[in-house]
Amino acid sequence: DIQMTQSPSSLSASVGDRVTITCRASQGISNYLAWFQQKPGKAPKSLIYAASRLHVGVPSKFRGSGSGTDFTLTITSLQPEDFATYYCQQYESYPLTFGGGTKVEIK
Amino acid sequence: EVQLVDSGGGLVQPGGSLRLSCAASGFAFSSYWMTWVRQAPGKGLEWVANIKQDGSEKYYMNSMKGRFTISRDNAKNSLYLQMSSLRAEDTAVYYCASLYCTPGCSKIYFHQWGQGTLVTVSS
Repeated sequence: DIQMTQSPSSLSASVGDRVTITCRASQGISNYLAWFQQKPGKAPKSLIYAASRLHVGVPSKFRGSGSGTDFTLTITSLQPEDFATYYCQQYESYPLTFGGGTKVEIK
Repeated sequence: EVQLVDSGGGLVQPGGSLRLSCAASGFAFSSYWMTWVRQAPGKGLEWVANIKQDGSEKYYMNSMKGRFTISRDNAKNSLYLQMSSLRAEDTAVYYCASLYCTPGCSKIYFHQWGQGTLVTVSS
């Protein structure tokens, strides 16, 4: 199974900040990497697929990059609605696996 | 508007069974792979199973293989998860989601999510 490791597990940031979340795969997954946002008590929301492509309706403040084993999600100009938990997920092979999540909190 | 509505969750005793449903609307359900993902209380996301558009291919997380069965009824625009031999560790919110294909459908990735339904396994 491919293990997905996210770091940090949590971070504190202020409105207007730029934050970067890292996701590492235990083996190469090309660009078969997705990112999700989840707010407390809500379903996840799909943000990014193919490592860097935004789903329709997702603002360009979310930027994904990487290939192979190392990936990043950058969120620019944090707004109150961006404070949430973010998950990465690989879809290169079964079983599909998620990272442990990164909780972005208000400083 | 694309909508996925999960239902069927509830309290079930260890060893019991439960069938979850996901009602789809606003898109061509029969053209999409579908999936179930679960989330234990306070924990991260865990993939459960995928099913192809016509139901001819199914994939499961190893720990659920043999206990869970994913199925669909394209005439009813519905996805199902039949769960049996339930254990306390199956307690979670279960989400259905639609999947997109890469060209040629060699890879599939998540698109829209349902709101989830809570399954509690306890005596």
